[in-house]
Amino acid sequence: EVQLLESGGGLVQPGGSLRLSCAASGFTFSDYAMSWVRQAPGKGLEWVSAISGPGGSTYYADSVKGHFTMSRDNLKNTVFLQMNSLRAEDTAVYYCAKEPHSAPGDAFDIWGHGTMVTVSS
Amino acid sequence: EILMTQSPATLSMSPGERATLSCRASQSISRNLAWYQQKPGQAPRLLIYGASTRATGIPPRFSGSGSGTVFTLTISSLQSEDFAVYYCQQYNNWYTFGQGTKLEMK
Repeated sequence: EVQLLESGGGLVQPGGSLRLSCAASGFTFSDYAMSWVRQAPGKGLEWVSAISGPGGSTYYADSVKGHFTMSRDNLKNTVFLQMNSLRAEDTAVYYCAKEPHSAPGDAFDIWGHGTMVTVSS
Repeated sequence: EILMTQSPATLSMSPGERATLSCRASQSISRNLAWYQQKPGQAPRLLIYGASTRATGIPPRFSGSGSGTVFTLTISSLQSEDFAVYYCQQYNNWYTFGQGTKLEMK
């Protein structure tokens, strides 16, 4: 079964850091681009970042550029999101999502269950 | 940035009825459009990609149409499990989502 399982969310103070992980199973992980998408409480969906299958290319929404970093470990079938200088507006459920090709730029065919990040003092 | 606008914000319908949800892009996105369904407390689920292709396991009562800037998701005969929030997403130029349409039971 194709599955994505996020972890690493929690409560963090403004200005703090957090590292999210997303463990994949049931498919050849290195063949597919991955993204992070977030959803603030009661709000819609916002794409955050994407990474190519081999991992050589990363892409970011303007809202997180310079303070989030996405990476992947294809040996461990895991993608990461390092979040620094966190602000209240980063509070959201963070989903990882898989694309059907190795290069980003397609629909998200598989989603994880999400992990909640709360930025508050 | 390509803006996606969905209408209506809320749609109140009864089981068995036909539902039509609209999505408009601020510029042409060809057919690079997807629809997702999200139920409370759950992750989004891909319904339609390429504007009109159903994802694996999606029943045929869900259909998508459109190209360029105007798109439609149609649910031919609503089932109780279809009441949820629906999002459109463009992936022609990175990714942006519409604000969602809440399909609620009348």
